[in-house]
Amino acid sequence: EPEVTQTPSHQVTQMGQEVILRCVPISNHLYFYWYRQILGQKVEFLVSFYNNEISEKSEIFDDQFSVERPDGSNFTLKIRSTKLEDSAMYFCATGLASPYNEQFFGPGTRLTVL
Amino acid sequence: QKEVEQNSGPLSVPEGAIASLNCTYSDRVSQSFFWYRQYSGKSPELIMSIYSNGDKEDGRFTAQLNKASQYVSLLIRDSQPSDSATYLCAVLATDSWGKFQFGAGTQVVVTP
Repeated sequence: EPEVTQTPSHQVTQMGQEVILRCVPISNHLYFYWYRQILGQKVEFLVSFYNNEISEKSEIFDDQFSVERPDGSNFTLKIRSTKLEDSAMYFCATGLASPYNEQFFGPGTRLTVL
Repeated sequence: QKEVEQNSGPLSVPEGAIASLNCTYSDRVSQSFFWYRQYSGKSPELIMSIYSNGDKEDGRFTAQLNKASQYVSLLIRDSQPSDSATYLCAVLATDSWGKFQFGAGTQVVVTP
């Protein structure tokens, strides 16, 4: 069964450094999302992406964050200058044919900012 | 502020019994509702979706939606120890583009 994959599984970085988290969506899915979950807290929406454009973003998704689909397969989340409070699990999710239907989550990347 | 509320639990359920989980939401224009299961340290795993008022059954799981009362519930029949996890309710509003609002989750513990 097709799955969303994410790399790396764990990323440790120093405060102020840039990180890029990578996701390979399910092949025929058209809608892509990033969420994060701080330890012990709710899963929070960051951004939705369709047709090579951001469709919606949350208040969390400020100028330090960016997303792109550089090669038609990978979907990336970049954090330009990481802060301690960016430490969280970051989940990529994908949807097949509509933003109003199911989303399928990848295994996540645990980001630790020191 | 759009809210999705769940009892945090833990909900202790004997093996073989029915687990009943509830979720309420504040945004009246919500149109799509989802239940996910999340094991500790893992990602959310889709259990089922529901879009219309009433019941929807899938195996041992039944989702119930009541838009007038703004709640959605999940029943797990014949609970197994492998069902021990946190169950997340996710709600999608009509005016959002795939922006799931998640509840904090209900922890279910199935005891042998």
